[in-house]
Amino acid sequence: EVQLLESGGGLVQPGGSLRLSCAASELSFSDYAMNWVRQAPGKGLEWVSSISGSGSSTYYADSVKGRFTISRDNSKNTLSLQLNSLRAEDTAVYYCAKGLRLRGSYYYYMDVWGKGTTVTVSS
Amino acid sequence: DIQMTQSPSSVSASIGDRVTITCRASRGISTWLAWYQQKPGKAPNLLIYAASTLQSGVPSRFSGSGSGTDFTLTISSLQPEDLATYYCQQANSFPLTFGGGTKVAIK
Repeated sequence: EVQLLESGGGLVQPGGSLRLSCAASELSFSDYAMNWVRQAPGKGLEWVSSISGSGSSTYYADSVKGRFTISRDNSKNTLSLQLNSLRAEDTAVYYCAKGLRLRGSYYYYMDVWGKGTTVTVSS
Repeated sequence: DIQMTQSPSSVSASIGDRVTITCRASRGISTWLAWYQQKPGKAPNLLIYAASTLQSGVPSRFSGSGSGTDFTLTISSLQPEDLATYYCQQANSFPLTFGGGTKVAIK
């Protein structure tokens, strides 16, 4: 069974940086697109970023474009999200989620989720 | 960007009731729609994708329908374990977007 485990969250001051990681187990990692989704305290889900299986295509929400960078290391089954210039409104639980793949095609439905890692931006 | 609007924002129903949640896209997305269930303190769980395809392992009391701009998630017979917030998500184009969520409570 595929499992995703996020790490790297914590308390950071406004303007600071963090690097989140997501380790995938038992998975042909490069066969799947991967995603980051966040949830601010008491709020709904917000898509943050996605990356194709090869890593050649990346996508970002306007709210994080230019500040966050998604990447992956398929040799280590690891997904990363570099968070720079953090703001109070980036405070959230960040989930790593695997994209669905059916009959050889990638889909950006998210069929496996990690438990999340919490990022708190505060002075 | 495609906006996803869910209604109602909350619903309270009795065990065994039929519950219907709607999701409207701001423009046509064919059947590029998923539904997720999020229980308190937990990560979301994929219920339905491609508007009506039940994800493996999801109970058959959950069903989805719709295409274009209007979609529904139906719980045919509400069970105690269905207490959760439900979200729709469009996968037609980037940026991916979620609906605001529908909280389902048990009367």
